[in-house]
Amino acid sequence: GAVVSQHPSWVICKSGTSVKIECRSLDFQATTMFWYRQFPKQSLMLMATSNEGSKATYEQGVEKDKFLINHASLTLSTLTVTSAHPEDSSFYICSASLLARTDTQYFGPGTRLTVL
Amino acid sequence: DQQVKQNSPSLSVQEGRISILNCDYTNSMFDYFLWYKKYPAEGPTFLISISSIKDKNEDGRFTVFLNKSAKHLSLHIVPSQPGDSAVYFCAASDGNTDKLIFGTGTRLQVFP
Repeated sequence: GAVVSQHPSWVICKSGTSVKIECRSLDFQATTMFWYRQFPKQSLMLMATSNEGSKATYEQGVEKDKFLINHASLTLSTLTVTSAHPEDSSFYICSASLLARTDTQYFGPGTRLTVL
Repeated sequence: DQQVKQNSPSLSVQEGRISILNCDYTNSMFDYFLWYKKYPAEGPTFLISISSIKDKNEDGRFTVFLNKSAKHLSLHIVPSQPGDSAVYFCAASDGNTDKLIFGTGTRLQVFP
């Protein structure tokens, strides 16, 4: 149980375009979903916390107009990287918390974004 | 300010021996700690957790120890297996939010 999927698993796009990444909890309902990014050989950095039906809470230094997060249902959250630039190239990972156990997050497999 | 630190970026252990991964934290409000295992280009996989009311939690080959006074936790893997080779992250939360603060990771290599 507690499976989280992400789509796409990898994407290559041109600079200036927007990319949408989906995060789904497949077998449970998630009150909260989180978005992380990871640069090579570095830790996971939390970008934002997403609660179903409300606006996402962004971490300091993360541009909310650039990284649009929508949490439309208890099983789906999306991250849209708008006007992507090469420096946005990274590994983006989402996670979801079970309704009853908010301290344990289950992670998706990640999405590799490469901006040319 | 790195609130969760893993000071050893890498660790090499022989198969069958014990692997000990360490993690230190600075925020005394943290009350829940987790260990994740991560392979390249994959999301982290939850391994084991511990609440601050305990000082030890065991699950099969994995045991996590918590020393609150020292603000230190460790993950013991015994016996270590080659399949354990991965990057291990410790993470902490303060219970008031769902946010996890991750350490920088330790790359464990288990050799035959």
